[in-house]
Amino acid sequence: NAGVTQTPKFRVLKTGQSMTLLCAQDMNHEYMYWYRQDPGMGLRLIHYSVGEGTTAKGEVPDGYNVSRLKKQNFLLGLESAAPSQTSVYFCASSSQGWNSPLHFGNGTRLTVT
Amino acid sequence: AQSVAQPEDQVNVAEGNPLTVKCTYSVSGNPYLFWYVQYPNRGLQFLLKYITGDNLVKGSYGFEAEFNKSQTSFHLKKPSALVSDSALYFCAVMVNTNAGKSTFGDGTTLTVKP
Repeated sequence: NAGVTQTPKFRVLKTGQSMTLLCAQDMNHEYMYWYRQDPGMGLRLIHYSVGEGTTAKGEVPDGYNVSRLKKQNFLLGLESAAPSQTSVYFCASSSQGWNSPLHFGNGTRLTVT
Repeated sequence: AQSVAQPEDQVNVAEGNPLTVKCTYSVSGNPYLFWYVQYPNRGLQFLLKYITGDNLVKGSYGFEAEFNKSQTSFHLKKPSALVSDSALYFCAVMVNTNAGKSTFGDGTTLTVKP
């Protein structure tokens, strides 16, 4: 049972380039989330989804877009990367939302130069 | 709005001693509280949660936490620390009206010395 899988694990982008981060979960979870982790700032929610075909903005959505075309996948896109988007990105999923713990992937370390 | 504070960036304890990692929260409504642990280059792993009921909850690896409504706290504890407990610990809070959106504290680095 793989749980939550994130690809790629590492990526270096130049300012202005675009990329897509892929998150896949095999637990049939309804809820999926994208967080970014920066030193000393904990985790901040970028976007989330409460089910297939739905997306919503989190705390820091600017500069990012998401899609949830299939229940098991949640994609995070950066259309024009900026150095401020250098971070570690975590995808998470949960079965029921409010009373369920989050299951995290191992993260994608993104550097924008 | 909901928020979480972890007042200590770092906690150092000797192996075999009890440990406490502090967490306080602020929410409108009933809180649902979680502790997660993160090892280097890994995602967060769930340790324990408080939803309702007994204020003392037990979780993985011998950890426990006590919910204190009057002090709005949810401190993580372990009676006897292990070197392998050294990691980054996060407290998180959510309420049942916000689609499971968790708000995390900034994290506390626990170092257990032999």
